[in-house]
Amino acid sequence: DTGVSQDPRHKITKRGQNVTFRCDPISEHNRLYWYRQTLGQGPEFLTYFQNEAQLEKSRLLSDRFSAERPKGSFSTLEIQRTEQGDSAMYLCASSLSLGGGMNTEAFFGQGTRLTVV
Amino acid sequence: KQEVTQIPAALSVPEGENLVLNCSFTDSAIYNLQWFRQDPGKGLTSLLLIQSSQREQTSGRLNASLDKSSGRSTLYIAASQPGDSATYLCAVSPMEYGNKLVFGAGTILRVKS
Repeated sequence: DTGVSQDPRHKITKRGQNVTFRCDPISEHNRLYWYRQTLGQGPEFLTYFQNEAQLEKSRLLSDRFSAERPKGSFSTLEIQRTEQGDSAMYLCASSLSLGGGMNTEAFFGQGTRLTVV
Repeated sequence: KQEVTQIPAALSVPEGENLVLNCSFTDSAIYNLQWFRQDPGKGLTSLLLIQSSQREQTSGRLNASLDKSSGRSTLYIAASQPGDSATYLCAVSPMEYGNKLVFGAGTILRVKS
């Protein structure tokens, strides 16, 4: 296992189109997170899964965004009717829950750079 | 609401210099603090994780300290090299929202040869 992988690395789409990103976490990690990062800022939390259950969603995640993690393995993040404001780097991370709210070190993928034109 | 601030926003140093990056957070109730490195257009690489019960962690030329009561962490880089040039991000895992990381905006480091 070489770490967290994301696909595609880059995506250019026209406004109004739908896009889907994929994340494959480290295999033994039960937690998977999605973050969004805009230029000059740190990543902002979007949503996270523990196994296949989506347990928390940020208010940043409008109803045009949906995420899934079927069978607790890979995850997809879909954005419907993309807007120019959706242009950002979308980062996926995974970690292992230690119980009591604590996690191991979070490992990030290389991200998907979305440009909406 | 937890907020993380990193100072300075940018730093330029000559090769070989020792340097300190600062991170502060507003709520001391955290599970851990993690330092990351990010190269332009790339994802995040984890550098060091400090659990709330720990005071510091070391990895090679990097040393990170945590003072939870004062809401501060520092990342010390010894004998800096041009390859250290990157953005360094600090993130905390708040107990109130223990299942995510809250990030600072980062410090952009440039090490000149």
